[in-house]
Amino acid sequence: DGGITQSPKYLFRKEGQNVTLSCEQNLNHDAMYWYRQDPGQGLRLIYYSQIVNDFQKGDIAEGYSVSREKKESFPLTVTSAQKNPTAFYLCASISPGQGFTEAFFGQGTRLTVV
Amino acid sequence: AQSVTQLGSHVSVSEGALVLLRCNYSSSVPPYLFWYVQYPNQGLQLLLKYTSAATLVKGINGFEAEFKKSETSFHLTKPSAHMSDAAEYFCAVSDTYNFNKFYFGSGTKLNVKP
Repeated sequence: DGGITQSPKYLFRKEGQNVTLSCEQNLNHDAMYWYRQDPGQGLRLIYYSQIVNDFQKGDIAEGYSVSREKKESFPLTVTSAQKNPTAFYLCASISPGQGFTEAFFGQGTRLTVV
Repeated sequence: AQSVTQLGSHVSVSEGALVLLRCNYSSSVPPYLFWYVQYPNQGLQLLLKYTSAATLVKGINGFEAEFKKSETSFHLTKPSAHMSDAAEYFCAVSDTYNFNKFYFGSGTKLNVKP
């Protein structure tokens, strides 16, 4: 089945540690996104990429980094510079250029600082 | 930039009653509009989308939404609530100039009482 796979589902990070969240899609979509979700704040855009080897900062990019070496993959690294990383992280993709369509979401990764 | 306002972070209805979840957007140029549903610890699933074809949009699970340009609103309704409708609902709008960039409201948690 086509879809977006995020792993791991739960992740624990120690203070000062970098961690990487995986996002893989087999939908052949061009654009991929990372959102952060906190209770009562909706989804906030961290980074997005519309083509391979290119990405743009969203509204809350500080303390995060991404790469887009392959169309299928858009990993997010939460660095030690992110002071409050505990949140639910959602990856999404859409396919521009084929008529406008909706964003498809992965099942999310819940990151907790311990 | 676009913004989306969802009135009411929590809405409670009785099973069989009308569901009304409110959403207002900020732009004078009608963008693309969406409603998503999220169950606990899961990703977002598209309920319906407005892409200027018709002002009344029908979605899955009996939900529908009406786009009202004069009120900059896109409220979500369902005539009769079911227990399985209990979830969090997000209104989203695409950026006016970059249709691949989305802005989400802060969400409304729907509780359905037996």
